[in-house]
Amino acid sequence: EAGVAQSPRYKIIEKRQSVAFWCNPISGHATLYWYQQILGQGPKLLIQFQNNGVVDDSQLPKDRFSAERLKGVDSTLKIQPAKLEDSAVYLCASSSLHLSQETQYFGPGTRLLVL
Amino acid sequence: RKEVEQDPGPFNVPEGATVAFNCTYSNSASQSFFWYRQDCRKEPKLLMSVYSSGNEDGRFTAQLNRASQYISLLIRDSKLSDSATYLCVVNLRGFQKLVFGTGTRLLVSP
Repeated sequence: EAGVAQSPRYKIIEKRQSVAFWCNPISGHATLYWYQQILGQGPKLLIQFQNNGVVDDSQLPKDRFSAERLKGVDSTLKIQPAKLEDSAVYLCASSSLHLSQETQYFGPGTRLLVL
Repeated sequence: RKEVEQDPGPFNVPEGATVAFNCTYSNSASQSFFWYRQDCRKEPKLLMSVYSSGNEDGRFTAQLNRASQYISLLIRDSKLSDSATYLCVVNLRGFQKLVFGTGTRLLVSP
């Protein structure tokens, strides 16, 4: 079974530029998550989708971050404009259901460096 | 106060040693608990769920104390391959919103 796919794996941009990340979850997984992991910290949830609807985006900095999952399968996360503090690994995860004991499977992440 | 607190370490132990990690959580409504493992520059992967009665998986034992809002992970007979960061994870009641601790780094040396 293929895992969660993410691209690109690495991205270097200058501050105030825009960047987009792509995620393709495990086939059949209805729930998709985007996390931000800053060096030395644990992942922090940015947004959670159930199919193509947003379940939780309370920690998404909506003035610069946006995400969509239009067809309920793959998803994109965009930052516009980027700030230095956005340098982090952006992890996508998916699970088959939104139940509390359901395992989340993570993709390899996109490492973003903002200069 | 952080929602999930862990000692960041690193814990340096020799092969064969027993090592224990602790974690505390602040939200008493937390419903389920996990330990995830994250290797350097890799994604987190589920190590084990933590159940109220305690549970064991090979060399790994997890314990939960709801009254004290405390979770532990015990690793017996440490292997070099156990070197990683161990993330304590708490899921709030009713929906799958995982809150991660900062992780505890373990280094097992020969």
